[in-house]
Amino acid sequence: TQLLEQSPQFLSIQEGENLTVYCNSSSVFSSLQWYRQEPGEGPVLLVTVVTGGEVKKLKRLTFQFGDARKDSSLHITAAQPGDTGLYLCAGRTGNQFYFGTGTSLTVIP
Amino acid sequence: DADVTQTPRNRITKTGKRIMLECSQTKGHDRMYWYRQDPGLGLRLIYYSFDVKDINKGEISDGYSVSRQAQAKFSLSLESAIPNQTALYFCATSDSSTSGNEQYFGPGTRLTVT
Repeated sequence: TQLLEQSPQFLSIQEGENLTVYCNSSSVFSSLQWYRQEPGEGPVLLVTVVTGGEVKKLKRLTFQFGDARKDSSLHITAAQPGDTGLYLCAGRTGNQFYFGTGTSLTVIP
Repeated sequence: DADVTQTPRNRITKTGKRIMLECSQTKGHDRMYWYRQDPGLGLRLIYYSFDVKDINKGEISDGYSVSRQAQAKFSLSLESAIPNQTALYFCATSDSSTSGNEQYFGPGTRLTVT
């Protein structure tokens, strides 16, 4: 089993604060994806990173893939209540994706 | 209309019963997947199919079987349901022609085995 651990597991912050979520593994992945999931719905893809050291920005969200392609981080600037949800990372090995344990984020207005 | 649909959305069944979960997609994608989600464990891959005649076991296939009836349809069966198969089940699709292999998920089926 390819284990992807996310931290923190739960995060509750005030609107306007910054936060970082981490996704770590001892395995190397050919690519890594970040998803957000809201209650009662399936995960929705936010970004795919492919190259070690790659940084992608999506408005207030910044994604980084570690140089060794074993870890990734998601940084949110000035969090808003609409950012509330479960954030999942998923690393690709061969034809399969292995999902992380998830970070549940609550942004309080 | 949703691109990936799952039926039923909720199901309660008893131990030992056979149950089928169905997934349909209108995205025209060739690849389809079944995952289960449990609290604290993330999503785990059960089976995946890259074409109508292609079926592959995932991380946790024991106790499950699948059928790819057409490119747009992929069903998951529990031959004899047991309580630890209680979970949220998701179907997903992807297009092999895209480099990122982005997966698109259905809304999920909440299955309870009593």
